[in-house]
Amino acid sequence: EAGVTQFPSHSVIEKGQTVTLRCDPISGHDNLYWYRRVMGKEIKFLLHFVKESKQDESGMPNNRFLAERTGGTYSTLKVQPAELEDSGVYFCASSHRSSAGPAHFGPGTRLTVT
Amino acid sequence: GNSVTQMEGPVTLSEEAFLTINCTYTATGYPSLFWYVQYPGEGLQLLLKATKADDKGSNKGFEATYRKETTSFHLEKGSVQVSDSAVYFCALTSNRDDKIIFGKGTRLHILP
Repeated sequence: EAGVTQFPSHSVIEKGQTVTLRCDPISGHDNLYWYRRVMGKEIKFLLHFVKESKQDESGMPNNRFLAERTGGTYSTLKVQPAELEDSGVYFCASSHRSSAGPAHFGPGTRLTVT
Repeated sequence: GNSVTQMEGPVTLSEEAFLTINCTYTATGYPSLFWYVQYPGEGLQLLLKATKADDKGSNKGFEATYRKETTSFHLEKGSVQVSDSAVYFCALTSNRDDKIIFGKGTRLHILP
């Protein structure tokens, strides 16, 4: 089966601009997660979708971040306006059901805000 | 709250050396413990897991034992290869939800 894919693999934008990251989960996976790793720090949970509904968005850092999952398939994560501290690697993961791991992770999108 | 602490990297070893990457955790209840690995240019992959005390997870020659008394889940391999060069993340999930709590990651370099 095809794995989790993310686009783009790398994005460089200026402070104040908008960027949209996309995640395509494994087909049939209802659960979709976003995580972020800021340079040198832990990978941190951002939010969790079950199909098109936000199950848990407690990790979203602020209202400059907007995640959507229209139709319960792919998901987008928009950062508007981007700030320097948003730089990092954004990982997407998906799984069949709600369980204690393991979710299948994508390769990540490296975001650099200058 | 729940947290994971793992040894700082980078760790540089020669091929066939013995590897230990230390990991300790803080969690309420009975967490499940994991090691994930990220090879260059690839996504995170589950390496091994243990879901209860004294369980040993193993895969690709790597092992880790869930030690509740010391709240540890140290990763070991008896003889590393150049292909093991990657970033290794210790992680846990609580029995309450699916959120994965990760450590900061340890970069491993294996020299031929």
